Amino acid sequence: EAQVTQNPRYLITVTGKKLTVTCSQNMNHEYMSWYRQDPGLGLRQIYYSMNVEVTDKGDVPEGYKVSRKEKRNFPLILESPSPNQTSLYFCASSLGQGSYEQYFGPGTRLTVT
Amino acid sequence: DAKTTQPPSMDCAEGRAANLPCNHSTISGNEYVYWYRQIHSQGPQYIIHGLKNNETNEMASLIITEDRKSSTLILPHATLRDTAVYYCIVRVADLPPGNTGKLIFGQGTTLQVKP
Repeated sequence: EAQVTQNPRYLITVTGKKLTVTCSQNMNHEYMSWYRQDPGLGLRQIYYSMNVEVTDKGDVPEGYKVSRKEKRNFPLILESPSPNQTSLYFCASSLGQGSYEQYFGPGTRLTVT
Repeated sequence: DAKTTQPPSMDCAEGRAANLPCNHSTISGNEYVYWYRQIHSQGPQYIIHGLKNNETNEMASLIITEDRKSSTLILPHATLRDTAVYYCIVRVADLPPGNTGKLIFGQGTTLQVKP
């Protein structure tokens, strides 16, 4: 089954404790992206990747890092999480950045206290 | 990307057709209309897309007016599981180099399907 998986699905952590949210897709997609969703602000892009070893900033990259060492994986790293990074995070993938269909993961709900 | 306008909310009776409108009066000739939906706190899900002609797939139908300034997503027999926020997005298919590829989700229409 074609899918995007994210782990963990729920996470409560404390300020400053490094964490990684994993994202994996099984469709051999070149393009992957991270969004965060906050009430009243909609979905905002954090980082994206056109292919292996090619990543770039989206609209709200501050406080986040990503890597793309393999085509299937695109982890989101929070080196020193802060309460304003409490949010619902989605990973997405598609064949290319202009593909009509982007596949989204189930989401990771992160709370930073 | 052209701006879209959707009603904030709509109700539909279970088993009836749900018709969700979208205005995109500034759409350009090379921009497609995409529809996605998001069931509560789940990842957005692609539904359908089109350029000029009406389109149908197993999930829905998309009717685009001749002048392309508006469109309607039709769920022919809505079920309770179709309760979600529906997003209409307008975007070119062939993105220029350097484009982020992000989807711009507006406020969408919250569709409540009622028994």
